[in-house]
Amino acid sequence: NAGVTQTPKFQVLKTGQSMTLQCAQDMNHEYMSWYRQDPGMGLRLIHYSVGAGITDQGEVPNGYNVSRSTTEDFPLRLLSAAPSQTSVYFCASSYSKGTTNEKLFFGSGTQLSVL
Amino acid sequence: QKEVEQDPGPLSVPEGAIVSLNCTYSNSAFQYFMWYRQYSRKGPELLMYTYSSGNKEDGRFTAQVDKSSKYISLFIRDSQPSDSATYLCAMTVSGTYKYIFGTGTRLKVLA
Repeated sequence: NAGVTQTPKFQVLKTGQSMTLQCAQDMNHEYMSWYRQDPGMGLRLIHYSVGAGITDQGEVPNGYNVSRSTTEDFPLRLLSAAPSQTSVYFCASSYSKGTTNEKLFFGSGTQLSVL
Repeated sequence: QKEVEQDPGPLSVPEGAIVSLNCTYSNSAFQYFMWYRQYSRKGPELLMYTYSSGNKEDGRFTAQVDKSSKYISLFIRDSQPSDSATYLCAMTVSGTYKYIFGTGTRLKVLA
């Protein structure tokens, strides 16, 4: 059982380039989310999804797009990378039933540097 | 003011010590409280999960929630060098799907 899988583990981009961070889970979790982690700032929610076809913004959504076409996958797209997006990105999922939110399972992270 | 406040540390203790890690929060609507452990260059992993107030114990770990004071704690008994990591508190309101994390406390347990 792989859990939450993120690819790539490391990425270097130039300002203005685009890329997609991949996230897949094999636990049949309804809820998936993306966080960024910066020194002194903790984990901040970027976007989240409560099921296929449903996405919503978190605390820091600007500059990022998401879509959820399947239960398993939740890619994060950077359309035009900026140095301020240099961070470590984590995907997390949970089994969410109705309004009861369950514990999050995290991937191993993607370290992104934008030059 | 952040919704969740956590001392970043680092906190250094000798092996075998009792460790106390704490978070304060401002939103009285928070209902679910969690502690995550994060090793260097790894994703956070869930340690403890509690609903509303009270204590919960799991082996060497005890989580406490005091909703009247808006204060949560994680105690680690008989600390080991393998406990050296960053500990993050997190909390959420049922149905909001938004977890709010503290900044994390770096813990070093010295052999």
